[in-house]
Formats: sequence, C-alpha cells, structure tokens
Amino acid sequence: AAGVIQSPRHLIKEKRETATLKCYPIPRHDTVYWYQQGPGQDPQFLISFYEKMQSDKGSIPDRFSAQQFSDYHSELNMSSLELGDSALYFCASSLTDISWDTEAFFGQGTRLTVV
Amino acid sequence: AQTVTQSQPEMSVQEAETVTLSCTYDTSESDYYLFWYKQPPSRQMILVIRQEAYKQQNATENRFSVNFQKAAKSFSLKISDSQLGDAAMYFCAYRSAWGGGSEKLVFGKGTKLTVNP
Repeated sequence: AAGVIQSPRHLIKEKRETATLKCYPIPRHDTVYWYQQGPGQDPQFLISFYEKMQSDKGSIPDRFSAQQFSDYHSELNMSSLELGDSALYFCASSLTDISWDTEAFFGQGTRLTVV
Repeated sequence: AQTVTQSQPEMSVQEAETVTLSCTYDTSESDYYLFWYKQPPSRQMILVIRQEAYKQQNATENRFSVNFQKAAKSFSLKISDSQLGDAAMYFCAYRSAWGGGSEKLVFGKGTKLTVNP
C-alpha cells in the first residue's frame, strides 16, 4: 500500500540558509500534519492543512511557512535557519471523514541538520 | 490544553516477559482518542494501538493491550511475551475527537524500552 512520502530524507544546511521539505500524502488523504522532533524529544505539532486550507497551527516559528497544493502535497519552507532547527521533521496524512474517526499515517521523516 | 505524561523515561524487560508502560493525560473533553506509537532506531513512527474514549472495552492488538481508565485519565500499555524487536521508544498520544482542525496529536515525552535477551 502507498505510504506518506517525504523528501528529502536527509538535508544539511548552513545557518541563515533556507530549506524546503516536501510531503506527499497517501492518495485520497485530504489532511496533512507537520511535526518537529528535536533530539531526544517528543514530536511537536507545527501546522496542519485540510483541503488545502490551514486548519490548525502549533508552535511554528514565524520563519517557517507551509502550504498544501492542489494535488494535496505539502511543503514546509524554513528560512533563516538556526542551529536549533536541527531536528527530524515528520509529515502525517489522514482522510477526514464525517465521523472524524481518522488515523494519521506518518512518513519516514526528513532529518534536517543545520551547521 | 491537553497534556500527556509518561512518568517512566526508561524501562527494561527480559525477553518473553511482560512489561507495562504508564501514561496519564489531562483533558476537559469527554470524547477523544488515545494512541501508543512505537519509534524504533529507524525513527519511523509506528502506530501500535488506539483506544476510543467512548469505548469501555480495552483495545488489544496481538501481544499489545491497554488498560484504559477514563475516570483516572490513565492509559497504560502492556506488552506480553516481549521480543527483541519491541525495543524502541514508545510514545503515548492524545487526539481530540472533534473536527475543525483539532485532530493534531499531543505526545508524551516517551518511554525508552530495552528488551534484554
């Protein structure tokens, strides 16, 4: 079965550079979530999109922006990178139906290292 | 806001034995979902088991079962017949049952499980 695809899997950037992370949800899934997991930390919710509209926002820095495109893939743009942005970034997708009884499926994550 | 607490940063178990991981949560909602996720060294997040708050029956998935105590806001995971492949970080997570963009997961800090041969 198709899974959530994230690219790239690994990314190394220098401070103050920009990074773009991509997420391709499971076909027919209409909701995408982004999470940030720092070293030794639990995943923290950043932002979510439902039907290409932002549906919820967590502790996402102003330097970060995200969007969901017409084909439902999503991109997380990170500018003015800082050392503290080094983390594993997860994307998850789900199909939101009328019962809201949905399960989120996680991608394998993008490991971002800022040097 | 909802919070999830895992009070055991690390646990260990002998192969073939049983171990229980603890999780408590705080919420004012009456309807929600609870999950246990496994994160092995590969860092992939793998759903182990889920529980709907409106169901009194505890969820079971093969060797994995939960003890859901809604009044006590407790949600523990029992792993029976532990296997070496069960070694991983385990995260307890909460999700609101209501839509409108609040389906994000709130995670606990995790419990690192070691399985000794």
